[in-house]
Amino acid sequence: AQKVTQAQTEISVVEKEDVTLDCVYETRDTTYYLFWYKQPPSGELVFLIRRNSFDEQNEISGRYSWNFQKSTSSFNFTITASQVVDSAVYFCALGGNTPLVFGKGTRLSVIA
Amino acid sequence: KAGVTQTPRYLIKTRGQQVTLSCSPISGHRSVSWYQQTPGQGLQFLFEYFSETQRNKGNFPGRFSGRQFSNSRSEMNVSTLELGDSALYLCASSPQTASSYNEQFFGPGTRLTVL
Repeated sequence: AQKVTQAQTEISVVEKEDVTLDCVYETRDTTYYLFWYKQPPSGELVFLIRRNSFDEQNEISGRYSWNFQKSTSSFNFTITASQVVDSAVYFCALGGNTPLVFGKGTRLSVIA
Repeated sequence: KAGVTQTPRYLIKTRGQQVTLSCSPISGHRSVSWYQQTPGQGLQFLFEYFSETQRNKGNFPGRFSGRQFSNSRSEMNVSTLELGDSALYLCASSPQTASSYNEQFFGPGTRLTVL
């Protein structure tokens, strides 16, 4: 069965600190997709990134970066120089042949 | 381009009643998926519709049903409401089917409270 584990329930950092959100997944599929979504207080999930299982290249987008390691079944998300606007719940999700499975989310609070 | 809209935003019902939630996808998007979000269970997939056909269904009882219209708008219905149905119901749209492969665009959700 597909499973996503986000072990960090809540993280609190001071503005400008770097923070890494962990995501570990389980799947027997060889083709799968990994996602990160952000849920601000307004409620709607905002897509951040999609990665397929054949592309292990790390990705950087501004202050955001993602580290995908198939050997450890992890897809971690790092925010560099965090800002108060980054405060939200972040979800990692696993998709592919079965419907999307989400982790329980990590609530990030960035304090000014 | 307008985003995904969901109506109503808030709803209060009592046990045993039924409820219908509505979702209008982004123009041109033909896939609509529904998710339930609760503090205990997190985000769980309910179902996906593409071109008026249900493509996938999550592990929910038959009290949860949905449909999609020819203009891609979708509704979900919950009959015989239970207290445990209190949740945020999120709708997401995507240009293509197989929402589990593709980026989805989410609406703000409908918060349902069952008393």
